[in-house]
Formats: sequence, structure tokens, C-alpha cells
Amino acid sequence: EDQVTQSPEALRLQEGESSSLNCSYTVSGLRGLFWYRQDPGKGPEFLFTLYSAGEEKEKERLKATLTKKESFLHITAPKPEDSATYLCAVHRTSGTYKYIFGTGTRLKVLA
Amino acid sequence: KAGVTQTPRYLIKTRGQQVTLSCSPISGHRSVSWYQQTPGQGLQFLFEYFSETQRNKGNFPGRFSGRQFSNSRSEMNVSTLELGDSALYLCASSPLSSGNLNEQFFGPGTRLTVL
Repeated sequence: EDQVTQSPEALRLQEGESSSLNCSYTVSGLRGLFWYRQDPGKGPEFLFTLYSAGEEKEKERLKATLTKKESFLHITAPKPEDSATYLCAVHRTSGTYKYIFGTGTRLKVLA
Repeated sequence: KAGVTQTPRYLIKTRGQQVTLSCSPISGHRSVSWYQQTPGQGLQFLFEYFSETQRNKGNFPGRFSGRQFSNSRSEMNVSTLELGDSALYLCASSPLSSGNLNEQFFGPGTRLTVL
């Protein structure tokens, strides 16, 4: 069965303390992997799309990487405004509906 | 370009009632997907509409239904509400159907509370 697992469920960091969020996936065919940011009470906001293993994308303090089994979202020197839930989703070749979302990592950055 | 809008933003209903939620996608987007988001389950796919046709449906009971109009606006309806239906309902739009690899643009959601 295709699935997407994110870890950790929650993460607390001090401002400036770099870390990584993990998104591991098991799908029969991956066409792309998405990262979204979701603030409380709001809908997810698109961050990145990764298409193939070895690909990397960066945006400000965020850097997303992709391997054949997982993706990492690296957060360098985070600030309190980076606090949010980060969701990953895969677009697969199998199944009737192509998108599968992980349950997210709740990130809290303390000043 | 205006984003995805959802109305109402908050809703309180009692068990047994029914509710209709509305979603207006980004102009030019023809695909609208609906998701239910709860703390324990994450985003659960409800259904997708593309050009007024339901393309896909998730594993939800028949109490959950939807439709899409010719202007791509979509509504979802939940009948005979249960306590477990309390959730954030998100709508996402994209230019192409989900069979194509394209990012989804989410609305702010409707927070439904069932008492």
C-alpha cells in the first residue's frame, strides 16, 4: 500500500538551531514530491516540487532534497516566523487519485 | 490574481443537520479537490472535480457529496452530521486534473464544529 510518513511529529528548536524534517514514502511510482507550509487556521502554502532523486531546491532558510526513498526539508538558522506545520505530498503513477499527503511535522522555533 | 476562497470560514452545527460548503478556485483553474483535515488523520482526500465531473472519490460515506458548476466553483455537502465530522475542510484548485503533475493551491478552509 502506498504511504507517506513524516517525522518527527513535532519539533521544538531554539532560534538559530538548524535541523531537518523527514518525509519517507513508499509508492509504486513517484512522479513528484511536494512540500507545503501550513500556518494555524490557514490552508497549506506551496513551497517546493522535487521531481527526481538527487534534486535540491532552496528558498530562504529552507532546502529540500530528494532520494529514492525519502525527502528532507533542511531548516538553517530558523527564526520564530518559521514556526508552522510542514506537509509533504507525493504524486504517484498508480491509484485513482494521485496525491498522498503525510500527516505533517509541527515545528516550533523559540526566540 | 485572487487566491482560492472558501465560505463560510467557520460553522457550528448540531448532530443530524446538514451543511454546504463553498469553494471558488483560482480563475482559470478547472480542478477542485476537497480534503478533510483532522489532527490525528492529516489530510484525507474527499473528492476531485474537473470540468463539472467527479473524477475521483476518497473513502468517505455517501453522506459526503459534492458538485462543480460551469464556472468551476464547487460545493460540498455533508448530510446527517456526526460528531466525527468536526474538522477543517480544505479545498484545493489546480489548472489541470490530478492525473497531471501540478501543484495544488489551497484555500483557507472551513472550520466545521459539530455539537
